[in-house]
Amino acid sequence: AQSVTQLGSHVSVSEGALVLLRCNYSSSVPPYLFWYVQYPNQGLQLLLKYTSAATLVKGINGFEAEFKKSETSFHLTKPSAHMSDAAEYFCAVTRDDGGSQGNLIFGKGTKLSVKP
Amino acid sequence: SAVISQKPSRDICQRGTSLTIQCQVDSQVTMMFWYRQQPGQSLTLIATANQGSEATYESGFVIDKFPISRPNLTFSTLTVSNMSPEDSSIYLCSVQKTANIQETQYFGPGTRLLVL
Repeated sequence: AQSVTQLGSHVSVSEGALVLLRCNYSSSVPPYLFWYVQYPNQGLQLLLKYTSAATLVKGINGFEAEFKKSETSFHLTKPSAHMSDAAEYFCAVTRDDGGSQGNLIFGKGTKLSVKP
Repeated sequence: SAVISQKPSRDICQRGTSLTIQCQVDSQVTMMFWYRQQPGQSLTLIATANQGSEATYESGFVIDKFPISRPNLTFSTLTVSNMSPEDSSIYLCSVQKTANIQETQYFGPGTRLLVL
């Protein structure tokens, strides 16, 4: 079955340190990939998406992600963490089974903590 | 983008009762989705609701348990019927303006449901 794997359910970094959140996916067709962020008690907000254009995608709040087909990865990075980045991050891929258009498969999420 | 509101934002219900969750969008959208986010888990699609047609349910979800209405292009409801504690979850409405698979899905703030 198609899947999205986010390595590490919890990641903790110091303020100013590099943020790296890992995402690996499976897809039998060229995928579209998304990163969403969920702040406490809020809905999901799109950070960035890959839709087969440039492999390095820049998003909001200084985040970026690189699509690597050979590694089936779409890791999210930010050079310098800020306290406000503390949230849960979800990676998602579009379904490849011809199901509902726009149907996304989500990873289990990674909770990012930022220490002062 | 799309601004989505959900009502209620949270509720505590007794087992055996039903709750209807409303989703309102600030613009017309083609596709609306209902997701469930159980504690500590990722998002799972319940059904896709397109205006003018019956909702399409994912495996493991049935209309009798989760009836959905989509009376127009800006509104949908999800009912959680005959609730049990296992239905305690966050229910998220999501929209997509067109059926284009590259289109971004926007999410509402969620409805936090606790069933006692």
